[in-house]
Amino acid sequence: ETTLTQSPAFMSATPGDKVNISCKASQDIDDDMNWYQQKPGEAAIFIIQEATTLVPGIPPRFSGSGYGTDFTLTINNIESEDAAYYFCLQHDNFPLTFGGGTKVEIK
Amino acid sequence: QVQLQESGPGLVKPSETLSLTCAVSGYSISSGYYWGWIRQPPGKGLEWIGSIYHSGSTYYNPSLKSRVTISVDTSKNQFSLKLSSVTAADTAVYYCARGGVLSPLVWFDPWGQGTLVTVSS
Repeated sequence: ETTLTQSPAFMSATPGDKVNISCKASQDIDDDMNWYQQKPGEAAIFIIQEATTLVPGIPPRFSGSGYGTDFTLTINNIESEDAAYYFCLQHDNFPLTFGGGTKVEIK
Repeated sequence: QVQLQESGPGLVKPSETLSLTCAVSGYSISSGYYWGWIRQPPGKGLEWIGSIYHSGSTYYNPSLKSRVTISVDTSKNQFSLKLSSVTAADTAVYYCARGGVLSPLVWFDPWGQGTLVTVSS
């Protein structure tokens, strides 16, 4: 089983900041990493597929990087509407596993 | 636009079976795709429960496999989750989501909003 270690668990940012969220895999998963945004009571939104591909309709201030075991979700010029819970998902092998999540607060 | 909506009892007694349904709109399940269940206990991370193909083939998380059954009803355009012998540890928000076109080893998109199931007597 691939364990995903996501950090930080919580972060507070100011509008305009650049934010990085890390997801480290316990084994090589190529580029089989995905990122989601979720707000309370709402369905999760798919924002990055296969490590680096921005899902259509997602603002370009979101970007993903990484390969193998180390992955990063970056939010440039963060906006107040980006306050949410972010999590990663690997689909390289069974069982599918998720990172522990990051709550992003906007000051 | 594909939409998914979970439904089922919000309270289940210990040792009983949790049953949830995911109604799909905007897409016919019989046309394809894998469909999955994911859960998130309060204050914890997400856990994949399992996925089912429109034809009925299933993949389960080994940690839950002995207690889980996922089925599909194409006539009602929905799929279901049954989790037997529940304990307080099964208290969670349960989500349904659409998986891959031809493989269960793909991301989920879109997701339902989730439904909270509490296991308590």
